[in-house]
Amino acid sequence: DIQMIQSPSSVSASVGDRVTVTCRATQDILRWLAWYQQRPGKAPKLLISATSTLQPGVPSRFSGGDSGTNFTLTISSLQPEDFATYFCQQTYTVPPTFGQGTKVEI
Amino acid sequence: EGQLVESGGGLAQPGRSLRLSCSGSGFNFDKYAVSWVRQTPGRGLEWIAFIKSYTHGKTTAYAPSVKGRFTISRDDSKGVAQLQMNSLKTDDTAVYYCTADYSNYNNYFDPWGQGTLVTVSS
Repeated sequence: DIQMIQSPSSVSASVGDRVTVTCRATQDILRWLAWYQQRPGKAPKLLISATSTLQPGVPSRFSGGDSGTNFTLTISSLQPEDFATYFCQQTYTVPPTFGQGTKVEI
Repeated sequence: EGQLVESGGGLAQPGRSLRLSCSGSGFNFDKYAVSWVRQTPGRGLEWIAFIKSYTHGKTTAYAPSVKGRFTISRDDSKGVAQLQMNSLKTDDTAVYYCTADYSNYNNYFDPWGQGTLVTVSS
């Protein structure tokens, strides 16, 4: 199975900060990568597919990028509702696998 | 907006069975592949099974951790998918989410249900 190594596991930030989360795949997944946001007690929500495609309704302060097998989720200006846990997921092969998550805390 | 609702979670003893259901509404449920994903604090998010739509042959796949014990099925006439879980182990304790993929091949999951807790304990 492809492992997704996500970092950091948590980050402390303030409203207005720029935050970047990184995910590394243990093998080439081309650009078959998604990002999800999960708020406490809620289900994950799809934010970005295919590395950089923002889902409808997702604010433009969220963006996704890549460099080889390294992928990034960037929040350009953190808002109060963005404090949550973020997961990456590779969809290149079955089983699709997730990173361990990054908790964005105040 | 599409919605998924899970039911059937609860407490089961090791070696026993449970059946989870996932009901879809507000979207063309029959066109989507349905997956089950579970979550624990220790293992995070783990995909465990999918079933593709009728037009994609209702193909199924399972994670090695549940293959041979769990069975996924769907009844599109009722807008429901089910996960039959047999020979339960304590490691199966998790919140189980039902989710869907419109493409039937890329496994980008949207929407998700609210989750149902399964506890396996004697």
